[in-house]
Amino acid sequence: DTEVTQTPKHLVMGMTNKKSLKCEQHMGHRAMYWYKQKAKKPPELMFVYSYEKLSINESVPSRFSPECPNSSLLNLHLHALQPEDSALYLCASSQDRTAYNEQFFGPGTRLTVL
Amino acid sequence: SQQGEEDPQALSIQEGENATMNCSYKTSINNLQWYRQNSGRGLVHLILIRSNEREKHSGRLRVTLDTSKKSSSLLITASRAADTASYFCATDGGYQKVTFGTGTKLQVIP
Repeated sequence: DTEVTQTPKHLVMGMTNKKSLKCEQHMGHRAMYWYKQKAKKPPELMFVYSYEKLSINESVPSRFSPECPNSSLLNLHLHALQPEDSALYLCASSQDRTAYNEQFFGPGTRLTVL
Repeated sequence: SQQGEEDPQALSIQEGENATMNCSYKTSINNLQWYRQNSGRGLVHLILIRSNEREKHSGRLRVTLDTSKKSSSLLITASRAADTASYFCATDGGYQKVTFGTGTKLQVIP
C-alpha cells in the first residue's frame, strides 16, 4: 500500500467553527508533513513530524494545531480560521527525514473559510 | 529562502514534442526533486537527483543538475496529452525540509 489518504476531500467552515483534517498512511513511514497550497502557488511547508514528535513548525499561526496520535495518523485541528486560510492542504509522508527519501502526497483537502 | 524559480511559467506543446523546464535555486542543497501535480490535486514524485550527480534518467524523463550554477532542468521526451500538469522542482536543504519552486504549467495538445 503506497497511498496517503486524506479526509475530507472538501471542507467549508465558518470563522467560528472548529474542524479537523485527517491524514493516514500505512507504509510504515516515520515522517509526516503538512503543506498549504494557495491557488497557482507552490506548496508551502507548515509542519513536520518525525517519529510522532513535532520537528518543524514553520511559524504557523496557532489557529492551526497539528497532532500525531500514532505513526500512521496525522491530524490538523482548525479553529477560528480566517478567509485567507482557504487553500488546498496537503499531507505527505516519507520513510524518515534522511535526505534521499521521496515524499508521498495525499490528494489534499480543499478548505474554504467563509 | 532557497525557493526555486522555474521557467517558463507556462509551456504549450504538441503531442510528441519534447518539453524542457528549468529550475534555479539560491542555497546549497542535499538533493533536488521534481514533482508533478494534476489539476490542484496531490503531488506525484518523479525523480530525485543527488547533489553529487549531474544527470539522471527515468523512462522519458531526463534531469540535469548544475550545482555551480544552482540550476536544474527537466526534459520530458515524446510528450503525451497525459503529461499535461504542473511541474515543480523541490530542493532539500537537509532533513526533508523541502522547498518547492514556483512551478511550470505544461499543456500538451493532442
